[in-house]
Amino acid sequence: KNQVEQSPQSLIILEGKNCTLQCNYTVSPFSNLRWYKQDTGRGPVSLTIMTFSENTKSNGRYTATLDADTKQSSLHITASQLSDSASYICVVSARGTNAGKSTFGDGTTLTVKP
Amino acid sequence: ETGVTQSPTHLIKTRGQQVTLRCSSQSGHNTVSWYQQALGQGPQFIFQYYREEENGRGNFPPRFSGLQFPNYSSELNVNALELDDSALYLCASSLPGQLYEQYFGPGTRLTVT
Repeated sequence: KNQVEQSPQSLIILEGKNCTLQCNYTVSPFSNLRWYKQDTGRGPVSLTIMTFSENTKSNGRYTATLDADTKQSSLHITASQLSDSASYICVVSARGTNAGKSTFGDGTTLTVKP
Repeated sequence: ETGVTQSPTHLIKTRGQQVTLRCSSQSGHNTVSWYQQALGQGPQFIFQYYREEENGRGNFPPRFSGLQFPNYSSELNVNALELDDSALYLCASSLPGQLYEQYFGPGTRLTVT
């Protein structure tokens, strides 16, 4: 069964600090991995999309890495800001399947405190 | 903002009632997916529509049904509401050939009492 596990479940950091969120998956055959940011009560917003051949991708202060051999990804947030407080969701798609049927993780809830 | 809108924002219904949720996609986005997101969990895929036809379905019963219109706006209908249907309902649209670039709406918060 395709699964996506995210850790930690929640994280509290001080403004200005860096943090790293983890995503492990068992989805096969792998097509792509996406990270989304979801503010409370809002829809997810795409941060990065990575395919099998990509092992790192950046979007401003967000940098995602992918190790397709170990089936792990991480999202690194640099110099955190209060507006980074949100849930971060890892989504993995299998090759040859409907994009909508991607497997979503349950997210990591990040709280940035002043 | 993603350009995808949903209505209503919030809704309260009684068990056994029926509900219709609406989604307006970005211009040119001919694919729309609907998701159910329970509190503290990731979105669960309900179904996808492409050019007004259902193009894939998740593990949801038939009382969850949908429509997509020629202008690519769409509806999610849920009959015989149950308490467990309380959730945030999200729609996501995408362009032809860029199916993984999904643009999510803000969601409709449905509460079933």
